[in-house]
Amino acid sequence: EVQLVDSGGGLVQPGRSLKLSCTASGFTFGDYAMSWVRQAPGKGLEWVAFIRIKSYGETTEYDASVKGRFTISRDDSKSIAYLQMNGLKTEDTAIYYCTRARWPRVGQGWYFDYWGQGTLVIVSS
Amino acid sequence: EIVLTQSPGTLSLSPGERATLSCRASQSVSSNYLAWYQQKPGQTPRLLIYGASSRATGIPDRFSGSGSGTDFTLTIGSLEPEDFAVYYCQQYGTSPGTFGQGTKVDFK
Repeated sequence: EVQLVDSGGGLVQPGRSLKLSCTASGFTFGDYAMSWVRQAPGKGLEWVAFIRIKSYGETTEYDASVKGRFTISRDDSKSIAYLQMNGLKTEDTAIYYCTRARWPRVGQGWYFDYWGQGTLVIVSS
Repeated sequence: EIVLTQSPGTLSLSPGERATLSCRASQSVSSNYLAWYQQKPGQTPRLLIYGASSRATGIPDRFSGSGSGTDFTLTIGSLEPEDFAVYYCQQYGTSPGTFGQGTKVDFK
């Protein structure tokens, strides 16, 4: 059974940093791209970051709203994906979901076939 | 960026009724790469449909997706009590992909 367990959320002041983790099980982690999707309170879904597999250089993509502040990474030996969030803003307040991403074709986008339970990040002074 | 507009915003129906949800794209979705997700209150989103019409693992056959180009539809053949939720469409034909704003299916 595929499982994604998100952790690391919490209350943080604007401008500070936080690192989220996603521990995967039930599949060969290194064979799949991974991504983070967030949902602000009472709002819709917003893609945040994406990382390809090793054979594609573990290259990354970011939404414009977080580019330069957030960094996605992965450790295939531990089956963990990370999201390092620096320079946090109040508008980053959201539930952050780790997702397994399916990337059908190079040059196109991806969809999300499994989701973690989410971890809440609150950015407030 | 492709903008997805879902309609209606809220759909009020009774169990056993048929639900038809629309997702319209501002430009053609490449390869009909469109997905649908269900999110129940307080729960994690769940993939229902990918590639416009392929059901994800474990999804009941009362859920069906159709459409191409700019117009896509999610149909729930006969609503079960557990189907009352918010539904999101997402296009992934153009990187990085975008979500619609959601349609809420609630009890009439």
